[in-house]
Amino acid sequence: QQPVQSPQAVILREGEDAVINCSSSKALYSVHWYRQKHGEAPVFLMILLKGGEQKGHEKISASFNEKKQQSSLYLTASQLSYSGTYFCGTELDLANTGKLIFGQGTTLQVKP
Amino acid sequence: GAVVSQHPSRVICKSGTSVKIECRSLDFQATTMFWYRQFPKQSLMLMATSNEGSKATYEQGVEKDKFLINHASLTLSTLTVTSAHPEDSSFYICSARDWGSSSGNTIYFGEGSWLTVV
Repeated sequence: QQPVQSPQAVILREGEDAVINCSSSKALYSVHWYRQKHGEAPVFLMILLKGGEQKGHEKISASFNEKKQQSSLYLTASQLSYSGTYFCGTELDLANTGKLIFGQGTTLQVKP
Repeated sequence: GAVVSQHPSRVICKSGTSVKIECRSLDFQATTMFWYRQFPKQSLMLMATSNEGSKATYEQGVEKDKFLINHASLTLSTLTVTSAHPEDSSFYICSARDWGSSSGNTIYFGEGSWLTVV
């Protein structure tokens, strides 16, 4: 039931782009993306609902393919501050009222 | 500022004792809150769903008698780790959905609580 994220880890140079994928075996109501820095709580990036695609802040955007039960997070012109572990949290049904099942995480390291 | 607040942020307790962690929603009411646990370099694993005015719902493999959850009001849920053991040492974090958020359906997490059992 846990969604699968890929890649597991990625190393970038500042200014490079990255894509992080999240794939579920179950139909999804929504996908939530978070970034977590070491020792800190996850920080909300954006939510993607069924039937919609939402752009986030800065140069981070995402897409949600309901038929394929997949979501992708796009990081463009990466900055040092983008480093951290990215998690997708999947929600199967709105009736769950906020229950998220998280992927295993993707560690992103941005180097100068 | 934070919309979900957790306390304490760090706690050390002796093996065999109990420790309580609070999770508060600020500026919004949350009839449902969620508790997660995260071991180092691992993902967040859902432990239980906290329901205001009723019993919590625990995920498979989570001992309800060990991890007591109380949701006494629309803004407060507490997690009590009873008879703590070193293997309970972890990062515990709560979340709640703010239905009125501008982002629509945003789920916010607390700051998390580091528990160390010695």
